[in-house]
Amino acid sequence: NAGVTQTPKFQVLKTGQSMTLQCAQDMNHNSMYWYRQDPGMGLRLIYYSASEGTTDKGEVPNGYNVSRLNKREFSLRLESAAPSQTSVYFCASISEGLNYGYTFGSGTRLTVV
Amino acid sequence: LAKTTQPISMDSYEGQEVNITCSHNNIATNDYITWYQQFPSQGPRFIIQGYKTKVTNEVASLFIPADRKSSTLSLPRVSLSDTAVYYCLVDPWGNAGNMLTFGGGTRLMVKP
Repeated sequence: NAGVTQTPKFQVLKTGQSMTLQCAQDMNHNSMYWYRQDPGMGLRLIYYSASEGTTDKGEVPNGYNVSRLNKREFSLRLESAAPSQTSVYFCASISEGLNYGYTFGSGTRLTVV
Repeated sequence: LAKTTQPISMDSYEGQEVNITCSHNNIATNDYITWYQQFPSQGPRFIIQGYKTKVTNEVASLFIPADRKSSTLSLPRVSLSDTAVYYCLVDPWGNAGNMLTFGGGTRLMVKP
């Protein structure tokens, strides 16, 4: 049982380049989330998906797009990377029941130069 | 969504009990309280969840007073490996599908 898998683990981009962060979960969760975490800060929600086929903006959606490809996969795309998007990105999914909470991936460390 | 307030940081020593309190004055009737732990370079990890009174598992205890406007995470006999950031979240029952936000958390430093 792998949980939540994120790829890549590390990435360096030049300003203006684009890339897609991949996330997949194998727990049959309906809801999936993308967060970013800047150094020494808490997590900020970028986008989330309550179910396959739906996506909603979080606190900091500007500069990002998402795709809920199917129930398992939720990708985050940076169309034109900016240095302000240098951060660690975490994908998470959540069970509908109590006492399970979020399951997070191990993160993608992105640097935009 | 209920806003939470936690201390920014706390220090402790190995073997001590640590209590981290979270304030959530505008908690709603159907909100549950959930705590997460985050180690450096890792995603947060679920620790414990409760609605009222006391909940205990193999990792921690969670104390929630009758008015539910605050909660206290209790870590018994901490070790160096408990050094981490601890987040308190308040979210509705059946939380999947909701926009859930994390605050800044409490940075716990356990010293030898």
